[in-house]
Amino acid sequence: GAVVSQHPSWVICKSGTSVKIECRSLDFQATTMFWYRQFPKQSLMLMATSNEGSKATYEQGVEKDKFLINHASLTLSTLTVTSAHPEDSSFYICSASEGGEGNEQFFGPGTRLTVL
Amino acid sequence: GQQLNQSPQSMFIQEGEDVSMNCTSSSIFNTWLWYKQDPGEGPVLLIALYKAGELTSNGRLTAQFGITRKDSFLNISASIPSDVGIYFCAGQYGSQGGSEKLVFGKGTKLTVNP
Repeated sequence: GAVVSQHPSWVICKSGTSVKIECRSLDFQATTMFWYRQFPKQSLMLMATSNEGSKATYEQGVEKDKFLINHASLTLSTLTVTSAHPEDSSFYICSASEGGEGNEQFFGPGTRLTVL
Repeated sequence: GQQLNQSPQSMFIQEGEDVSMNCTSSSIFNTWLWYKQDPGEGPVLLIALYKAGELTSNGRLTAQFGITRKDSFLNISASIPSDVGIYFCAGQYGSQGGSEKLVFGKGTKLTVNP
């Protein structure tokens, strides 16, 4: 089955630093990847949609200069949280899809970010 | 961002009981999906529904795509302890499958007492 990995699985950083999270599709080519944020006891909220080789499309209210997304290859997308602050602490989850009608989005295991 | 109305918010049941949860939306969706999320993990797809009125089963799980395309329900029969987790509904407006973004419900937390 299709597998999506994320690295790191958890990270703790100091306020003001930048953190990069990787999302990889291990056994398929992902034309589209999505980044979600999930606060404790809440649902997944879409942050941005990323197509390989194109600029990401951000949801309303998500700062594109703060959450940098790069989808440089068909198997890798990265999310960089720049100048992280405690309110950015959350569970970040990516999903990946081969694209096209009927194709499923496969979710990664998530990355727990804690900003001190 | 937009969220679907999902209920109940939480459920506490005894092992062996049946469970039902539902999602409603003010907008029409072309696809309804149901996911399960375990603590500290990403969601896993349980059932996907593509046609209004469609009733689909996956083992002890049954889900239906409402006729109006604005609602869906998920039933779990004969619950077991490993059914514990958070269940999310999700909708897609278009028909582009995996390329289409998902709108999630708020989740139903299920606790099963042995």
